[in-house]
Amino acid sequence: DTEVTQTPKHLVMGMTNKKSLKCEQHMGHRAMYWYKQKAKKPPELMFVYSYEKLSINESVPSRFSPECPNSSLLNLHLHALQPEDSALYLCASRGGNRTNYGYTFGSGTRLTVV
Amino acid sequence: KQEVTQIPAALSVPEGENLVLNCSFTDSAIYNLQWFRQDPGKGLTSLLLIQSSQREQTSGRLNASLDKSSGRSTLYIAASQPGDSATYLCAVSRGYSTLTFGKGTMLLVSP
Repeated sequence: DTEVTQTPKHLVMGMTNKKSLKCEQHMGHRAMYWYKQKAKKPPELMFVYSYEKLSINESVPSRFSPECPNSSLLNLHLHALQPEDSALYLCASRGGNRTNYGYTFGSGTRLTVV
Repeated sequence: KQEVTQIPAALSVPEGENLVLNCSFTDSAIYNLQWFRQDPGKGLTSLLLIQSSQREQTSGRLNASLDKSSGRSTLYIAASQPGDSATYLCAVSRGYSTLTFGKGTMLLVSP
């Protein structure tokens, strides 16, 4: 298995809703990432988990709450989002701290906040 | 701070042409460089990964080169096809947490 699987593919939520995005990989990668991508822009880093511990939070608002229950699973919990949070959310994984590993990205969740 | 620039921003070619996409970066202290393809509204697909010690990598009709000292990489696509139409992103890595992207080249290959 050489994939990063993200669910759901599409999500529409109201500003008062609570929802979660899920990301799963079975490649044994120990670094996992959440990125946010707006239309016609490159991905922007949100969070980094290394060995199931949060190592980087790029000053993301608290309405986004990441969770890494185990080495294969990464969640992003969403609460009280704003319309400007509508974007493509991408999950990625990497083999670890070795410099020769590349990144593997999932297909993304298209989020629309109404 | 690392900056990655991709030229051109957009490219339109007829089917069958060979083409070159350019990527430059300001800090040559990178570990590796990765080329991705992104279809509209989709995730990123890794095309080629070049380690800092390598000069080039090839996969099928794709060839990527790296000149780390001058901060440049090129992605060569041979015999382009309509299915190659997508946005191509160049990204450089330094450490496990730092991946810096260019803004991408939007490629359209017409039949």
